[in-house]
Formats: sequence, structure tokens, C-alpha cells
Amino acid sequence: DIQMTQSPSSVSASVGDRVTITCRANQGISSWLAWYQQKPGKAPKLLIYAASSLQSGVPSRFSGGGSGTDFTLTITSLQPEDFATYYCQQANSFPWTFGQGTKVEIK
Amino acid sequence: EVQLLESGGGLVQYGGSLRLSCAASGFTFSSFAMSWVRQAPGKGLEWVSSISGGGGSTYYADSVKGRFTISRDNSKNTVYVQMNSLRAEDTAVYYCAKERGSPEPFDGMDVWGQGTTVTVSS
Repeated sequence: DIQMTQSPSSVSASVGDRVTITCRANQGISSWLAWYQQKPGKAPKLLIYAASSLQSGVPSRFSGGGSGTDFTLTITSLQPEDFATYYCQQANSFPWTFGQGTKVEIK
Repeated sequence: EVQLLESGGGLVQYGGSLRLSCAASGFTFSSFAMSWVRQAPGKGLEWVSSISGGGGSTYYADSVKGRFTISRDNSKNTVYVQMNSLRAEDTAVYYCAKERGSPEPFDGMDVWGQGTTVTVSS
């Protein structure tokens, strides 16, 4: 199984800050990576697919990058509604696996 | 509006069975793969199973293989997961989710239901 490791596990940031979350796969997954946002008590929301493609309706302050084993999710100018937990997910091969999550908290 | 509505969750005893349903609306159901993803209390997301748009291909996490069966009825726009031999570690919120753009599980899940809670008691 492909293991996905996110860092950091949590980050404290202020409105307007730039935040970068890293996701690392223990083997190459090309660009088969998605990013999701989840708020407490809610279903996850797709932000990025194919490592860097922005899902329709998602604000352009979200961007994804990377390929192979190392990936990033960047939020430029953090907004109040962005405080949530973020997960990466590999879709290179079954079983699909998620990272453990990164909680973005208010500083 | 594209929507997914799960049902069938509840309290079940260890070793028991439960069938979850997910009714879809607002899109051509048979054109998209569907998946189940679960989240144990206070934990992260765990992919459970996926099924292709035509139903001919199914995929399972090792943790549920042999105990869970995913299926779909395209005439009813519904995907199911039959869960047998339930264990305490199956306790979770179960979400169904739609594949973003393919009849095969491909590159992301773009529509999610609100989730249904399964609690396995010992």
C-alpha cells in the first residue's frame, strides 16, 4: 500500500498569511493526487485534483503542486473560512490512501 | 443540483450486518464511479471501496475485503455497501462520494453525501 505522510500535522496562522502543507508518498504516484478540505461535522470538499488542477468553484488562492513523491497545497492570503483540516489522497493505485490530515488553526 | 443522500446507518452488535444506501440525483449516475469513505470518531479519512459506473469493477480496502460488498443499481441511481461481520473498528461516519469525471475511479471525489453513522457495539 502507498503511505501518504502530511506535514505539519497542525499549523497556526493568521488571516492573510500564506500557508503551505506538504504531502509525501512513500513511492512515486505521478500526479495522481487530490486535496480535500474538511470542516468539523461536514463532509470533505475536493479542492485540487491531478496534483495541480483547481476544482471548479474553488477560490484561486488555493493551489497545488508537485509530482512523483512530493506535493504541496498552498493557500495564499488565508481567509477565515479556510480554517479547517486538509487531507491529501493518492489515486495512483488501489487501495487509495489518505494522509493523516493537517489542521489549520487560527493564531 | 447534484446530491448524494446516505441512509441505513445505526447501532449494530459486534458480528452483525448492515446495508448502507446512497441515493444520487442531479447527474447521469451510470457515467460515474462511486466510492465509500469512512471516518472513525476523531480520526482521519479512510477509503473503503469503489465501484465503476457500470458496476463491473469493484475495489476494496484490505480492512474490509471479504466482509463488505459494494454494489449499485443504476436504474435506481443508488449505490450500496453491504457490511457483514462488523467489528468495533468499523464504527465511523460513512460517506458516499462521486468520482469527479470518469466511469472508473480516477482522480478525485467531487461530490460527497452528508454521511451516515455506524456504531458497532460489543
